[in-house]
Amino acid sequence: GAVVSQHPSWVICKSGTSVKIECRSLDFQATTMFWYRQFPKQSLMLMATSNEGSKATYEQGVEKDKFLINHASLTLSTLTVTSAHPEDSSFYICSARDVPSGSKDTQYFGPGTRLTVL
Amino acid sequence: AQKITQTQPGMFVQEKEAVTLDCTYDTSDQSYGLFWYKQPSSGEMIFLIYQGSYDEQNATEGRYSLNFQKARKSANLVISASQLGDSAMYFCAMRERTTDSWGKFQFGAGTQVVVTP
Repeated sequence: GAVVSQHPSWVICKSGTSVKIECRSLDFQATTMFWYRQFPKQSLMLMATSNEGSKATYEQGVEKDKFLINHASLTLSTLTVTSAHPEDSSFYICSARDVPSGSKDTQYFGPGTRLTVL
Repeated sequence: AQKITQTQPGMFVQEKEAVTLDCTYDTSDQSYGLFWYKQPSSGEMIFLIYQGSYDEQNATEGRYSLNFQKARKSANLVISASQLGDSAMYFCAMRERTTDSWGKFQFGAGTQVVVTP
């Protein structure tokens, strides 16, 4: 199956700093990537949908100025958590799909990035 | 409104036994897809099985099978011959077909499965 990587796998930062998380599709071109957030023992919450070459679409309640998403190429999307605070500590997961439509084009998930803000 | 409901927050199952994980969904669309994912403690989401709304036969993938009951809007996952490595969180998800494209994934709350020797 298709492989999606994320970097870093974990990061610890001080409050007020910005953190960038990369999501790469390794063996396919991803026209669309998704960013999810997951708190412990909870389900995945979609934060935003990222389309290559255009602005990301954010879900209701997600601050676009705080969670900056850039999908500069067909294989790379980045999520930058700006001025991170302890409440931003979470598990961030990206996913990608290479087929524009069709129900069985399942999303391929990255391994996730665990962010801890001190 | 909750679109995907997983009523079992956690369950224990003995090795080599079968286990059924419940999933009900809510949609008014005729065209949709149902998915099951496994998330071990490492955090990665592993795709297990898919069922399309128009598929007449239940999906099967190795030890995984999906018991699809469309009228009841139910898509239960059955894991046969459980193994210790099956211990993980399991998520049911759905995508609905909108007018000309597929919608985003909607996930259930998940079921934590612990397989005991």
